[in-house]
Amino acid sequence: AQSVAQPEDQVNVAEGNPLTVKCTYSVSGNPYLFWYVQYPNRGLQFLLKYITGDNLVKGSYGFEAEFNKSQTSFHLKKPSALVSDSALYFCAVRDPGTNAGKSTFGDGTTLTVKP
Amino acid sequence: DTGVSQDPRHKITKRGQNVTFRCDPISEHNRLYWYRQTLGQGPEFLTYFQNEAQLEKSRLLSDRFSAERPKGSFSTLEIQRTEQGDSAMYLCASSLVIGTQGGYEQYFGPGTRLTVT
Repeated sequence: AQSVAQPEDQVNVAEGNPLTVKCTYSVSGNPYLFWYVQYPNRGLQFLLKYITGDNLVKGSYGFEAEFNKSQTSFHLKKPSALVSDSALYFCAVRDPGTNAGKSTFGDGTTLTVKP
Repeated sequence: DTGVSQDPRHKITKRGQNVTFRCDPISEHNRLYWYRQTLGQGPEFLTYFQNEAQLEKSRLLSDRFSAERPKGSFSTLEIQRTEQGDSAMYLCASSLVIGTQGGYEQYFGPGTRLTVT
């Protein structure tokens, strides 16, 4: 079975500071990993993904994420936070070895960036 | 904008009534998914289609729930004899999957918020 944990319900950072939103996963094989962002009254939007290759992946709006196989983590990062980054962030995993259709999502982390 | 659309955006119904939601995916996308999201939780997988074929259903999807994608384009999700526990946001997503590659992202619609009174 595949699972995702986002250990922090809330992350608060000051504008201009670096931000990290944490995600750990559990799958039986090599994972496909994703980050999505949800703004109020809007659907989830894809940010970035890790499939294979370089452990550091870059995505939309200046976000990046680092895949760490030994720690089974896929933390989302941004060097300098903006107030407009305030939103709900979801990590998701898909195990290509067992079920290539189903994605499992974490419960989300609310990021608040204060001016 | 040719993103994923869902209709209605909001639905209030009385317990015991049947409801039906519609999802129109991005036009060239061959996969379509339904998820349910409740407050404070991430989306929970319900079912997905590859073209018109329903390939998997979650055990969360009781026999009161049924989904169709008759022509491989839009999809409907019907809930019969609604219960208060069915109150949630129902999300639809679509993807373009080529061959056996699995590293595709999903594109989500805005959701249908169901309230069962």
